[in-house]
Amino acid sequence: EPEVTQTPSHQVTQMGQEVILRCVPISNHLYFYWYRQILGQKVEFLVSFYNNEISEKSEIFDDQFSVERPDGSNFTLKIRSTKLEDSAMYFCASRTTGGDQYFGPGTRLLVL
Amino acid sequence: KNEVEQSPQNLTAQEGEFITINCSYSVGISALHWLQQHPGGGIVSLFMLSSGKKKHGRLIATINIQEKHSSLHITASHPRDSAVYICAVEKTSYDKVIFGPGTSLSVIP
Repeated sequence: EPEVTQTPSHQVTQMGQEVILRCVPISNHLYFYWYRQILGQKVEFLVSFYNNEISEKSEIFDDQFSVERPDGSNFTLKIRSTKLEDSAMYFCASRTTGGDQYFGPGTRLLVL
Repeated sequence: KNEVEQSPQNLTAQEGEFITINCSYSVGISALHWLQQHPGGGIVSLFMLSSGKKKHGRLIATINIQEKHSSLHITASHPRDSAVYICAVEKTSYDKVIFGPGTSLSVIP
């Protein structure tokens, strides 16, 4: 069965460092999403991406965040200068129009 | 105000019990999702439904669009069902998913 993959599974970084979280969506999917879950809280939407551009972003997704689909298969989330409060589980998801959303296994980010 | 609410927040059941988790939402939706999150953190989609009822194994999901309410039932519960069950909605067919707070289920032998 096709699946969304994410790398790395865990990342530890120092405050102020840049991190790039990578996702490989399912190959025929057209819509891509990033969500995050701070420990003990509910999952929150960050950004959606379609047709090589951001279609919607939440107020969490400020100038420190960016997304890219550099090569037609990978979908990346970059945090330019990490803060302690960026520590969370980050989930990538993809879907076709009207289809179910498939979630990746997540990347657990810890900012020290 | 949260757009998606769930009850109960926590649930402990004996193995074999019938379990019901409820979800209510306040917005117009195109579909509702039930998801499972295990302690390791990964999210698995259980159901996506826009009307009626779906069944998969021991899991049954129902939705009442008029009442803006959905239920997830687990029959003959088992310790391996222990997880967080999350209700989530989407407003359009390509939209982001809006997550509820989750219901933490523990099934004890």
